[in-house]
Amino acid sequence: DAGVIQSPRHEVTEMGQEVTLRCKPISGHDYLFWYRQTMMRGLELLIYFNNNVPIDDSGMPEDRFSAKMPNASFSTLKIQPSEPRDSAVYFCASSLDRRSPLHFGNGTRLTVT
Amino acid sequence: AQKITQTQPGMFVQEKEAVTLDCTYDTSDQSYGLFWYKQPSSGEMIFLIYQGSYDEQNATEGRYSLNFQKARKSANLVISASQLGDSAMYFCAMREVLTQGGSEKLVFGKGTKLTVNP
Repeated sequence: DAGVIQSPRHEVTEMGQEVTLRCKPISGHDYLFWYRQTMMRGLELLIYFNNNVPIDDSGMPEDRFSAKMPNASFSTLKIQPSEPRDSAVYFCASSLDRRSPLHFGNGTRLTVT
Repeated sequence: AQKITQTQPGMFVQEKEAVTLDCTYDTSDQSYGLFWYKQPSSGEMIFLIYQGSYDEQNATEGRYSLNFQKARKSANLVISASQLGDSAMYFCAMREVLTQGGSEKLVFGKGTKLTVNP
């Protein structure tokens, strides 16, 4: 298996622009998670899905952030409009079931100038 | 309230020696899972080891073992025979397997930076 695939690896954009991050989970995994990592706040869970349904989005910072999972093999995290404080590494992860470990993608390093 | 506490921001160990990275957790649930991840400077998150709350034996994976003390709510990671490639950030995490309809998210500690000296 190819593992969790995220794209792009790096994204540099200007404040106010829309940013879309993409994730392909491991085939057969029922859970998908979006995390954000910064030096100040560590790893923060933004949202997670179970069988393509959003379960907990309490970590989404504000209305500028939205996430979708239209099918079992694809998810997006969108920021519109982006702000410099959104600069971070965004990780997507998937797990087989509720007891299994999370497998992480390589992350997207987002820089908003 | 902090669910996962890693009290050691940084640790140093000599190559070939063993090192213990501390982790304590807080939960009122009876069913949960504890995980350790390694994050090298390249940035990827690598799963190392898992311990279920009902597992009677401490988990082991090669040079990694988890010292699970349920009553103390601690899940320390022990790395034996340290190698230079073990230098990285190490994160402890907990996943609560709550009753139907509850959140099942994985919560991470702040991490411990391990440096292995030659």
